[in-house]
Amino acid sequence: LAKTTQPISMDSYEGQEVNITCSHNNIATNDYITWYQQFPSQGPRFIIQGYKTKVTNEVASLFIPADRKSSTLSLPRVSLSDTAVYYCLVGDMGTGRRALTFGSGTRLQVQP
Amino acid sequence: GAVVSQHPSWVICKSGTSVKIECRSLDFQATTMFWYRQFPKQSLMLMATSNEGSKATYEQGVEKDKFLINHASLTLSTLTVTSAHPEDSSFYICSARRGTSYTDTQYFGPGTRLTVL
Repeated sequence: LAKTTQPISMDSYEGQEVNITCSHNNIATNDYITWYQQFPSQGPRFIIQGYKTKVTNEVASLFIPADRKSSTLSLPRVSLSDTAVYYCLVGDMGTGRRALTFGSGTRLQVQP
Repeated sequence: GAVVSQHPSWVICKSGTSVKIECRSLDFQATTMFWYRQFPKQSLMLMATSNEGSKATYEQGVEKDKFLINHASLTLSTLTVTSAHPEDSSFYICSARRGTSYTDTQYFGPGTRLTVL
């Protein structure tokens, strides 16, 4: 499984756009990129998943450059409730029975 | 999205007793379920993979005789912590995947906080 590297923590203010970049230099051809959000004492919540270029849903955008060695999760206009840990995960499309492996994640703190 | 529940949400027990945690997929059938453990301020650590009707696959360093996993149906997996000790106190989280493709989203339960006195 590809190893991922994220910043340990980030600070932002309400209303700002937050971009969290994840490095995955040894990503394989079949690997997808998935981001999860976790609040204290709760299970992780799926945010977004992508393979290449850009993916957007109602809560976030995911930017993946052509070489796919990194990806950026973009959260538009964050609020206090976006304070959480964000995990970037990379995994093989063909091994659905394998679990997602979590790295250390990025602890986002949103200030008023 | 799909819903995964866990019961109980928290439990306190005495050292030496056994505790059972249930994980249910409420609106889909889960071919595979996973159990994770998370200590304070740390990331999730995979304990085992559970496939319906077969034995669980444990990660290296996880004692299978201590953490018993039973995947009795496509909607229920249980984790039993046997002879629990204070060092087993942790946040246990299960997850379930609807299909076998990696692109099938892995949904997580709300977690169970275990405290062993």
